[in-house]
This record gives sequence, C-alpha cells and structure tokens, in this order.
Amino acid sequence: DTAVSQTPKYLVTQMGNDKSIKCEQNLGHDTMYWYKQDSKKFLKIMFSYNNKELIINETVPNRFSPKSPDKAHLNLHINSLELGDSAVYFCASSPSGTAIFYGYTFGSGTRLTVV
Amino acid sequence: GNSVTQMEGPVTLSEEAFLTINCTYTATGYPSLFWYVQYPGEGLQLLLKATKADDKGSNKGFEATYRKETTSFHLEKGSVQVSDSAVYFCALSDSAGAQKLVFGQGTRLTINP
Repeated sequence: DTAVSQTPKYLVTQMGNDKSIKCEQNLGHDTMYWYKQDSKKFLKIMFSYNNKELIINETVPNRFSPKSPDKAHLNLHINSLELGDSAVYFCASSPSGTAIFYGYTFGSGTRLTVV
Repeated sequence: GNSVTQMEGPVTLSEEAFLTINCTYTATGYPSLFWYVQYPGEGLQLLLKATKADDKGSNKGFEATYRKETTSFHLEKGSVQVSDSAVYFCALSDSAGAQKLVFGQGTRLTINP
C-alpha cells in the first residue's frame, strides 16, 4: 500500500544509454512532480504535471522527457545519459491546488549512476 | 526568485541536547513554509508546516515558528535522540499557480549516544 512508488530503486548504466524511471501514486492526487537531488543533497524541481498536463518545465536538457499517461503515473525518460545525470531522482505528488498549503508526498527515490 | 537558506551542516550533537537548525527565506507574497526530513536511503517526509505569519508548526517534539519580520523558520527540538539523525530540509511554496516547493540545501544532523 505504498503511497508514491518509484521503480527502479537503483539504476546503473553506461554513458549514452537511454533509460526510464517510473512513478505511480495511489493517493488520488492530481499533481505529480520530478525533483533531482545532487550529490550535495540539493533538490531542484524538474517537471510537474497536473491531470496529465505539463505545468512546470524548469531549465532541463531536452534529453529529459516526462510522460504522464494518466494522473496516477508520471514517468521520466532520459536519452543519451551523461555522467552529470548521476543523482537521486524523486517523484512526488499532491492534491491539485494544495501543495502550497500541505506540501508533497515523496517517493523513496531512484539512485541513478552513469558510468 | 524565491529562495531558502539553511545553516551549513553537518551538525553533530549529543543525545538530549537542544537543537536549532536555522532557516531564512526570500519570497514575494506570503508563502507557506515547511520542514522535511530525509532518513538514510529514504525519501523526504513532511515534518511540520506553517501557512501564515506567527503560525507554529509542531510534530514529534520539533517546532518552528513562521517569523515574517525576520523572514525565518528555525527548527528546534528540546532534547534530541539518536533516531533524529537525518538530513533536514527547509522549503517554501513558490507560486500559487505552479504549486512549486523551493528547498534549502539541507542540513545533515548526527546525534551521538
């Protein structure tokens, strides 16, 4: 009965590969997010979707493409992986219009290592 | 743009010591303020929040008061335990339309028995 689940938990891959990270939430939330946490623990928002519509698209390389097939899922596809993409990627969700009052529910993260 | 600044870590304390982790913010409008905690190998969990000036958020013995005059939201706990060892993040809500949270850089706390 995990609220926000991400798969895989760990991902080790070679430079130049294409990989996807999946996120699913069973909380009935309308809004989902992807955050990147670098090696110094700094968290930066990448994307947000509300009911399958992209609402936040920060300055992220075009190699990163989010996809939301329905409001319970938000996947992240990364093309041509680079060493600098190594990080922990967190998915989060919130009910529509409430994040500014109640915050998010986070997944447990996907540790991506590019070698 | 809006931003959050936390005290530099790491912070190391003995069990039962008093804890303060400083957080100051820069924001337009009236953001909500949050503290999140990240235990090793886990995602972030909401610890407490405050949505308007002078509100006090509290949970699990932790407290923080929204101080508009000093633009601060310092985290305090009177007596820390080894189990409080984690990374603590201060955050604010950015804009009503985009529903974005902006996080500070995190403060690693280690409690020694």
